[in-house]
Amino acid sequence: DTGVSQNPRHKITKRGQNVTFRCDPISEHNRLYWYRQTLGQGPEFLTYFQNEAQLEKSRLLSDRFSAERPKGSFSTLEIQRTEQGDSAMYLCASSLGRVTLEQFFGPGTRLTVL
Amino acid sequence: GENVEQHPSTLSVQEGDSAVIKCTYSDSASNYFPWYKQELGKRPQLIIDIRSNVGEKKDQRIAVTLNKTAKHFSLHITETQPEDSAVYFCAAKQNNNDMRFGAGTRLTVKP
Repeated sequence: DTGVSQNPRHKITKRGQNVTFRCDPISEHNRLYWYRQTLGQGPEFLTYFQNEAQLEKSRLLSDRFSAERPKGSFSTLEIQRTEQGDSAMYLCASSLGRVTLEQFFGPGTRLTVL
Repeated sequence: GENVEQHPSTLSVQEGDSAVIKCTYSDSASNYFPWYKQELGKRPQLIIDIRSNVGEKKDQRIAVTLNKTAKHFSLHITETQPEDSAVYFCAAKQNNNDMRFGAGTRLTVKP
């Protein structure tokens, strides 16, 4: 499968625990995006990378959220001290770059915080 | 920042009829407008997109129109089929900015 992949697909955790998700973009895509989607809503932008540089971060993003893309390939999204309100689907998308704007989504990681 | 509004939130049509979903955006600098289809439990899939230098684009039964002056764009699906049933999201984006999505339209095509 040459599409965007995400792991794990599902994560159940207790409130207060830390969780980390991984996203592998389509190879050669230099832009990588993280979104959060709750039931009945469209994806909400969290942050994006161009290669290894994190270029933009949503003002809605709590300090408990951090993302990295150390080598400009895969990315991780970490949530510290999870809260019940963090329960959502976390989607990753990638795009080729500035000229090509199409974003291709991964299957998502569904987080449930108990 | 950009704000995208989408309506209707739900749409039910009979198989073979047309379906139209409309979106408005607030930032005149937005220049890319994709539409995504999301089936239950699956990832959003790009079905068609349009750039601000084009007024209309068609791909088989799907078409998108853009009115830059009024800052609205629409998705048109003709000859709807039951497999078109899904949630559809519009979005708007500027070159180096994030993409903003509408809240989605749940389309049901009744056989």
